[in-house]
Amino acid sequence: AQSVTQLGSHVSVSEGALVLLRCNYSSSVPPYLFWYVQYPNQGLQLLLKYTSAATLVKGINGFEAEFKKSETSFHLTKPSAHMSDAAEYFCAVSDTGRRALTFGSGTRLQVQP
Amino acid sequence: NAGVTQTPKFRILKIGQSMTLQCAQDMNHNYMYWYRQDPGMGLKLIYYSVGAGITDKGEVPNGYNVSRSTTEDFPLRLELAAPSQTSVYFCASSYSWANYNEQFFGPGTRLTVL
Repeated sequence: AQSVTQLGSHVSVSEGALVLLRCNYSSSVPPYLFWYVQYPNQGLQLLLKYTSAATLVKGINGFEAEFKKSETSFHLTKPSAHMSDAAEYFCAVSDTGRRALTFGSGTRLQVQP
Repeated sequence: NAGVTQTPKFRILKIGQSMTLQCAQDMNHNYMYWYRQDPGMGLKLIYYSVGAGITDKGEVPNGYNVSRSTTEDFPLRLELAAPSQTSVYFCASSYSWANYNEQFFGPGTRLTVL
């Protein structure tokens, strides 16, 4: 079964600093990978997805993620954090068995002024 | 376009009570999902449906039931509420197989069982 590990349940950065949120996956077949963002009291919305077209994926709000097969990683980055980026971020991997997604436990990003 | 809507937003139940969480989408999506989100645990799939009349169990189906009589609606039923079902419940939908298609999420229902 596929699984996702997000290192760090809480990450705090200063406004303008680099954001790096880590995600490692395990999958027996080439996966589809996703990053979702959840703002307070809202549902999840898609940031970006990897579907094997390109290893560097650009998403909304200046975020991007790089698929590294050798490291089984799909880390999310943003060069300069903004206060509005404060949210919880979930990495997810496709679950071919259930035709659904398996989510990581989430990383809460705090942005300090 | 309302997207995915869920009612109610909040609910407190007593142990043993039952209730139905409503979910509707107006995007004509075939695939719909119910997840629960526990603190620090991410989202767990409860049930999913690939079209009207077709449902299947997810990772944590015990204590829940679903039905899908129309493309638009996918209600989740709790028959005998237990404290372990205290969670935030999210409904989602997608045009096709969620593996590579974006899932659209509702705002969630926060359920407390006392």
